[in-house]
Amino acid sequence: DQQVKQNSPSLSVQEGRISILNCDYTNSMFDYFLWYKKYPAEGPTFLISISSIKDKNEDGRFTVFLNKSAKHLSLHIVPSQPGDSAVYFCAASEGGNNRKLIWGLGTSLAVNP
Amino acid sequence: DTGVSQNPRHKITKRGQNVTFRCDPISEHNRLYWYRQTLGQGPEFLTYFQNEAQLEKSRLLSDRFSAERPKGSFSTLEIQRTEQGDSAMYLCASTSRVTGNTIYFGEGSWLTVV
Repeated sequence: DQQVKQNSPSLSVQEGRISILNCDYTNSMFDYFLWYKKYPAEGPTFLISISSIKDKNEDGRFTVFLNKSAKHLSLHIVPSQPGDSAVYFCAASEGGNNRKLIWGLGTSLAVNP
Repeated sequence: DTGVSQNPRHKITKRGQNVTFRCDPISEHNRLYWYRQTLGQGPEFLTYFQNEAQLEKSRLLSDRFSAERPKGSFSTLEIQRTEQGDSAMYLCASTSRVTGNTIYFGEGSWLTVV
């Protein structure tokens, strides 16, 4: 059973516009959420994270919003650039020393010039 | 480069052979993870070390898989008697309390079993 769901396998956006990538989760014990960007044949690159005590975190062009009641988070990229084209993964972890990540299946973002 | 380093980056092996991957985490990170990723899937957790202690192993880690972190620094992941289903990217990641909960990944080691 997929605890972290990214229901859109792909997204296409025009350069300069906003990209919105969505993620839903089912485990209410998750308290930390991360977004990673991944190119083919490379490891995931950390983008931005958010703790469950917050509802928004911003870093440059990237903003993550968390709606705990809906168990939903989203990543906004503004403005989108062609170099943002990659697969974006949402990941979540529970409290505790382990901190292993549970991942979604990813959303492939294509930013068109 | 002070990131997580993995080698080899690519390995092609015949079914039945043994392979070993090495991971050098970021130097001050005491926690180290191994994940496996196949096409179209997100990474799947395999095992976790805190310093030299292996604290958790996934059910995915069959008896043919063994991971070590002998001195709490680098780690190795060995797969014995490889099978075609072992073909995947093996990802190593590390973190520490200093970095909070952010886990940094290496470039991955791509295994193809023929």
